[in-house]
Amino acid sequence: GESVGLHLPTLSVQEGDNSIINCAYSNSASDYFIWYKQESGKGPQFIIDIRSNMDKRQGQRVTVLLNKTVKHLSLQIAATQPGDSAVYFCAESGATNKLIFGTGTLLAVQP
Amino acid sequence: KAGVTQTPRYLIKTRGQQVTLSCSPISGHRSVSWYQQTPGQGLQFLFEYFSETQRNKGNFPGRFSGRQFSNSRSEMNVSTLELGDSALYLCASSPGTGYNSPLHFGNGTRLTVT
Repeated sequence: GESVGLHLPTLSVQEGDNSIINCAYSNSASDYFIWYKQESGKGPQFIIDIRSNMDKRQGQRVTVLLNKTVKHLSLQIAATQPGDSAVYFCAESGATNKLIFGTGTLLAVQP
Repeated sequence: KAGVTQTPRYLIKTRGQQVTLSCSPISGHRSVSWYQQTPGQGLQFLFEYFSETQRNKGNFPGRFSGRQFSNSRSEMNVSTLELGDSALYLCASSPGTGYNSPLHFGNGTRLTVT
């Protein structure tokens, strides 16, 4: 498959464990945040989003936490499965009216 | 509903040539954004079009240009190709502009410049 990042931070977890992927964003004026998942050879796929008036949002097996004080975003994946193996990107938007992506984290799920 | 479609899937070009990439957004989506993805720089914003107008532009040289048609389909063009233009070019669509709702991405066009 095609590599989307050769020198990405990597998180290695055992199947069935919970995963936490962290992201530090740069702009305190950002008011909308998204997590994407990118599998080899594919475009980024939307996972979950959160607005700045919220601290937490839950989806199916995923939770996003937003800490505006320290400009930190995290994605929690419950009961991680082999199909969750991918690169995960956080993205922010706000005053610049652009969606700015982080560098990505490679999640490797060990069977 | 069909997703975002990008053509071609792969392209090989020579330095100095130009290239045109095509993107068909999700039906009903009026905003199209383009991103360049490389291992070293990650996902970099190129530009956004909404209702045939460029709404925003990233920090890329003028060799990179785009347009949007009345049916919301979009093309991007890169002229005088350089080796550093080798990348995955991603198109994304959304119903409206303003980046307060998720972008939906296509699977990209892989451009290799030799």
